[in-house]
Amino acid sequence: RKEVEQDPGPFNVPEGATVAFNCTYSNSASQSFFWYRQDCRKEPKLLMSVYSSGNEDGRFTAQLNRASQYISLLIRDSKLSDSATYLCVVRGNTGKLIFGQGTTLQVKP
Amino acid sequence: DTEVTQTPKHLVMGMTNKKSLKCEQHMGHRAMYWYKQKAKKPPELMFVYSYEKLSINESVPSRFSPECPNSSLLNLHLHALQPEDSALYLCASSQEGQGAPQPQHFGDGTRLSIL
Repeated sequence: RKEVEQDPGPFNVPEGATVAFNCTYSNSASQSFFWYRQDCRKEPKLLMSVYSSGNEDGRFTAQLNRASQYISLLIRDSKLSDSATYLCVVRGNTGKLIFGQGTTLQVKP
Repeated sequence: DTEVTQTPKHLVMGMTNKKSLKCEQHMGHRAMYWYKQKAKKPPELMFVYSYEKLSINESVPSRFSPECPNSSLLNLHLHALQPEDSALYLCASSQEGQGAPQPQHFGDGTRLSIL
């Protein structure tokens, strides 16, 4: 079983749609949780950290459920520019980041 | 614009060449990282430096040799690489310490091709 699992997609959605990505992690000692975005042939960029209380940044909402070891990202009102690969990332107690395989989103006009 | 700067952006080298990748950050971060990323795969951790000391080596072959001359700089020395080493090499940095989440900030990478 992978340490961080994501549905690779691709998710093909029309502009304006709401889309949700899910992620599960296996190590209950994991300490920090993030969503990164990576465009084709570019570096990963931090989208948002994820907190147990849930957090929102504009059209993006992230949730963490420690009991279920589950992380989610919700994107509302999708834009063409949201097309990218979204990486679920977990930081363990050794400080290492563990990356999911990434979920590809394609927003169509 | 990324706050972690990597040079060169692209590198083509033969299997007998020696070259170095460079990474620089001025955010005061005391942890720096090298990752390797192949197409359509997530980044794979290679090395971690914490306070200029090597803290993690993920069983990387000795043809890759990291160096941390000071808290702002990180190098990756390359020698006798193989074609399968062709990839995007990413440098990252983060704050050290416990408590709040410590996200890593990535440079835009060096795209390496081995002939």
